[in-house]
Amino acid sequence: DQQVKQNSPSLSVQEGRISILNCDYTNSMFDYFLWYKKYPAEGPTFLISISSIKDKNEDGRFTVFLNKSAKHLSLHIVPSQPGDSAVYFCARGDNDMRFGAGTRLTVKP
Amino acid sequence: KAGVTQTPRYLIKTRGQQVTLSCSPISGHRSVSWYQQTPGQGLQFLFEYFSETQRNKGNFPGRFSGRQFSNSRSEMNVSTLELGDSALYLCASSLDLAGATQYFGPGTRLTVL
Repeated sequence: DQQVKQNSPSLSVQEGRISILNCDYTNSMFDYFLWYKKYPAEGPTFLISISSIKDKNEDGRFTVFLNKSAKHLSLHIVPSQPGDSAVYFCARGDNDMRFGAGTRLTVKP
Repeated sequence: KAGVTQTPRYLIKTRGQQVTLSCSPISGHRSVSWYQQTPGQGLQFLFEYFSETQRNKGNFPGRFSGRQFSNSRSEMNVSTLELGDSALYLCASSLDLAGATQYFGPGTRLTVL
């Protein structure tokens, strides 16, 4: 059951531009969502989260937007840097976590 | 296609015991990675298997081991369980080595008493 979906397997952007990573979910009962960043051979590292009572959370260059009516969240990275190149996972926060399949972001110098 | 499956979903053990967790990847996927999820430590990488060989290993003691079978199914074993091993253990599969899109299973929640 794919309760959290990331429909774009890859995204390529130019350094300095905005990266927008998208995620859709199916269950409205989720309390909060998280974004993880992952480099090869490492575990995903926590990036930013958002509670379902909010529609936006910002941390430096990273902003997550939550659209509850559309069951959609997005991660914005501005400005994008080459070091941001990684796979990004969205996940629902729960005792029983569910992850999206991930989106590979490539930031070109 | 069926997703990644993990068995059992829940497990309760006592200190000193050992446990084996199982992961069946998506059909056609050859890479299986294992992660430990705890509230305090977040998601930590345990190891990755590809074509029956361990290709990468995280920073965990030797009590944590794994293997992969010819059908790509993987098992993870933890011996001499400690209270701190209580966690959600996640398995993820991908077509190729880490770096490719990974699909996570629902996890096995292990409680050590």
